[in-house]
Amino acid sequence: SQQGEEDPQALSIQEGENATMNCSYKTSINNLQWYRQNSGRGLVHLILIRSNEREKHSGRLRVTLDTSKKSSSLLITASRAADTASYFCATDEETSGSRLTFGEGTQLTVNP
Amino acid sequence: NAGVTQTPKFQVLKTGQSMTLQCAQDMNHEYMSWYRQDPGMGLRLIHYSVGAGITDQGEVPNGYNVSRSTTEDFPLRLLSAAPSQTSVYFCASSYSSGGRGWANYNSPLHFGNGTRLTVT
Repeated sequence: SQQGEEDPQALSIQEGENATMNCSYKTSINNLQWYRQNSGRGLVHLILIRSNEREKHSGRLRVTLDTSKKSSSLLITASRAADTASYFCATDEETSGSRLTFGEGTQLTVNP
Repeated sequence: NAGVTQTPKFQVLKTGQSMTLQCAQDMNHEYMSWYRQDPGMGLRLIHYSVGAGITDQGEVPNGYNVSRSTTEDFPLRLLSAAPSQTSVYFCASSYSSGGRGWANYNSPLHFGNGTRLTVT
């Protein structure tokens, strides 16, 4: 079963706009990671946020984590056409140290 | 560094055939894993290894075998291919593991570019 669930499944915006994707999960976690996947390629790690952190930034990316609501969001500011990709959250469950569980992803399209 | 290299990129098999998907990394990573990606299912863990000589099952291990004789290589074997194994397969590695039987996900995963497998 999937631990993380992304929302929305698909998002289409114009260049320059901000894109927000959400991830919900079911059990307690050690950390949560976000990955990007360009079409036909492998996943690329974007950012990791630990369970005791609430917000993290990396360039145009901002990730928040609310452990009380078991949810995280990824904000991409001032989006570019090159940001077009699928974005996945992955959770490291506290009770299963041997598995990083991925959601089904959000397909982001940034129109020029 | 080449990172994580997967071969082949594409493969078509007939039902019942066997094959090995190759994965190699040159980053001296302890942890290596295999995922399959199917539409609407996200990525699912097949097998993983926390070091040479150590392997364990993931979420969907049936029909697949792995071995880890070196730090660099982690091949995935399909014993008797079935149409349900049609998928895109990704190998991923990371720097740290938590020791025998335990994966430490405080390090990011590095992915290969995948093998697209079709079983007819």
